Amino acid sequence: QSALTQPASVSGSPGQSITISCTGTSSDVIPYNYVSWYQQHPGKAPKLMIFDVTNRPSGVSNRFSGSKSGNTASLTISGLQAEDEAHYYCSSYTSRSSVVFGKGTKVTVL
Amino acid sequence: EVQLVQSAAELKKPGESLTISCQASGYSFSSHFTGWVRQMPGKGLEWMGSIYPGDFDARYSPSFQGHVTIAADKSTSTVYLQWRSLKASDTAMYYCVRQVGIAMGGTHFDYWGHGTLVTVSS
Repeated sequence: QSALTQPASVSGSPGQSITISCTGTSSDVIPYNYVSWYQQHPGKAPKLMIFDVTNRPSGVSNRFSGSKSGNTASLTISGLQAEDEAHYYCSSYTSRSSVVFGKGTKVTVL
Repeated sequence: EVQLVQSAAELKKPGESLTISCQASGYSFSSHFTGWVRQMPGKGLEWMGSIYPGDFDARYSPSFQGHVTIAADKSTSTVYLQWRSLKASDTAMYYCVRQVGIAMGGTHFDYWGHGTLVTVSS
C-alpha cells in the first residue's frame, strides 16, 4: 500500500492560518472517515492531534481542526505559534484493516 | 494514567535475533490493540502491525508481514516485537502504540511509548 501524499513543507507567520493536505485513494481516505493527524517535535514521540477526520483529543488546542473532501483530508492550524513548528503526519484506516501514514509535512513558523 | 514503557536501545549485528518490549499500564490491556510504528532515521512513520491481547489476533502491514513477529503476554501486560535475522535496514526508532477506534483493528493511535532505538551494524 502506498503512503498518503502530503506536501513536504508548509510555512506561515505567527498568527496566520496554514493548511496541510493529505491525499489518498479509494482504498483509504475516500471510503472511511478515519483520518488522523500527528504532531512530532524533534527527538520526541508523535502526539495525536486529530482523529476520525474532525475530532480533537482532550487537551489539544482548538486552534487545530480537521476536514475531508473526497480523496483529500486537511489539517488547519489557526493562530500559528512558534510551538507549532514540527512535523505533521496524516494517517488513514484502509480496506485491508491496516493503517497507512503520509510521508510527513514540516511546518515552519517564520 | 495510560503508560507504554519500552525497553532500552539495542546495538546488534546483522544476522542476529532481537526482541524488544513494551509494557502497558493504566488501562485494560486485553481489550485494546497494541502495535508498533517504525521510523527510520530522518524518515516518516510506518505502521508495522498490532495485536489484540485478548485473543492474540495479530495483524501486519503487507510491508512487514513475514519479517517481524508481534506477540503479547497478558500476565505482564507486555507486547513484543521480534526479529529472527536483523539487517542493517532495520536500523530505526520503534514506537509502541495503543491502537483504538471502532473499525476492526483500530483506526488511530492515542498513546505512544517513548521509542526504542535499534541500531544494526557490523
